[in-house]
Amino acid sequence: DTEVTQTPKHLVMGMTNKKSLKCEQHMGHRAMYWYKQKAKKPPELMFVYSYEKLSINESVPSRFSPECPNSSLLNLHLHALQPEDSALYLCASSQVGQGSEQFFGPGTRLTVL
Amino acid sequence: GQNIDQPTEMTATEGAIVQINCTYQTSGFNGLFWYQQHAGEAPTFLSYNVLDGLEEKGRFSSFLSRSKGYSYLLLKELQMKDSASYLCAVTNTGGFKTIFGAGTRLFVKA
Repeated sequence: DTEVTQTPKHLVMGMTNKKSLKCEQHMGHRAMYWYKQKAKKPPELMFVYSYEKLSINESVPSRFSPECPNSSLLNLHLHALQPEDSALYLCASSQVGQGSEQFFGPGTRLTVL
Repeated sequence: GQNIDQPTEMTATEGAIVQINCTYQTSGFNGLFWYQQHAGEAPTFLSYNVLDGLEEKGRFSSFLSRSKGYSYLLLKELQMKDSASYLCAVTNTGGFKTIFGAGTRLFVKA
């Protein structure tokens, strides 16, 4: 299984809602990532987990809260988002180590109203 | 700081060869990746360079010069399906922090 899955594919939420994005991989990868991608822009790193511990937080606002409950799952909890947070949210995973390619999921298209 | 530059767009003809350049300035360099991203899809891995020189993989080759902060992706025998964005990405020491360039949108015409 060389796939990273993400749910939901699309999400529309209001600024007062609480929602979660989910990501799953079964490749035995111990590094998992969240990226945000706006239209016609490159992915921007948000968070990195290594061995289920948060190792990088790229100064992301606290309305985004990541969670890695086990080595296969990665969640992104959303609360009190702003319209400018509307974007494609990509999850990726990789082996831990130099030169490890990242495998990306298809993304969740988020719209904040 | 970190900076990655790529041309915004390129156009090439089916069957031809195209070279996409990438220049970078980063701290703690630990390798350079090229990813392909079709519109509306996730990026997929193409190549990785950490030492100077050329890496060849089928129709795709990637070159790195660390002293010049320069890489290129070479695509041969272009096919229509190669129309996509090509993202140059640099990782820092430790390998987790990956910074993507803005990407080069390649249009392949018949």
